Amino acid sequence: DADVTQTPRNRITKTGKRIMLECSQTKGHDRMYWYRQDPGLGLRLIYYSFDVKDINKGEISDGYSVSRQAQAKFSLSLESAIPNQTALYFCATSDSATLDRGRETQYFGPGTRLLVL
Amino acid sequence: AQKVTQAQTEISVVEKEDVTLDCVYETRDTTYYLFWYKQPPSGELVFLIRRNSFDEQNEISGRYSWNFQKSTSSFNFTITASQVVDSAVYFCALSEFLNDYKLSFGAGTTVTVRA
Repeated sequence: DADVTQTPRNRITKTGKRIMLECSQTKGHDRMYWYRQDPGLGLRLIYYSFDVKDINKGEISDGYSVSRQAQAKFSLSLESAIPNQTALYFCATSDSATLDRGRETQYFGPGTRLLVL
Repeated sequence: AQKVTQAQTEISVVEKEDVTLDCVYETRDTTYYLFWYKQPPSGELVFLIRRNSFDEQNEISGRYSWNFQKSTSSFNFTITASQVVDSAVYFCALSEFLNDYKLSFGAGTTVTVRA
């Protein structure tokens, strides 16, 4: 079984709809992240969470919200989807238990392809 | 400003050729880490390597090798004797102490290996 899972894997929705993307991990990591990937732009950080009570905005948080329901679960919501939120979304995890936080390697889920019509 | 630049958008080679992917980074930090990830056509992101700013020793792992040069702020990646399975998008990324060790990604280089 995959260590980091994302549901759904593909989603088509309409402008104005609310949609939630879910991420679960069995790696026991405390830190979780949401990114979006657009062609030619690489990955950009939307939100990140260092533990259940910690939520931080990333580079492009406008139009998104998150919920850290448990250490293993981190959900991303689009309250009112718009076409330019069409992208590939990735969840990632890392473990702060390493002595040097910079050594944390982020491990990614399989991604969710979202199309907003 | 872009912190990580991957100048090559696409590279196409014939099987068994070597291919080098360039990565140039920008940071004021003395403590930072550099990463390479692979994204095959199936879409997932696979971690390949992490290198810290204090270790300029080059690394080889099978057909993969990495050349880290602080003097030119580069962390280049070479695939030797490429194979069709190497076809993927490759991302270089930087994490800095001053940026709370968040990852900054380059735009990616698409490698196509033709049989």
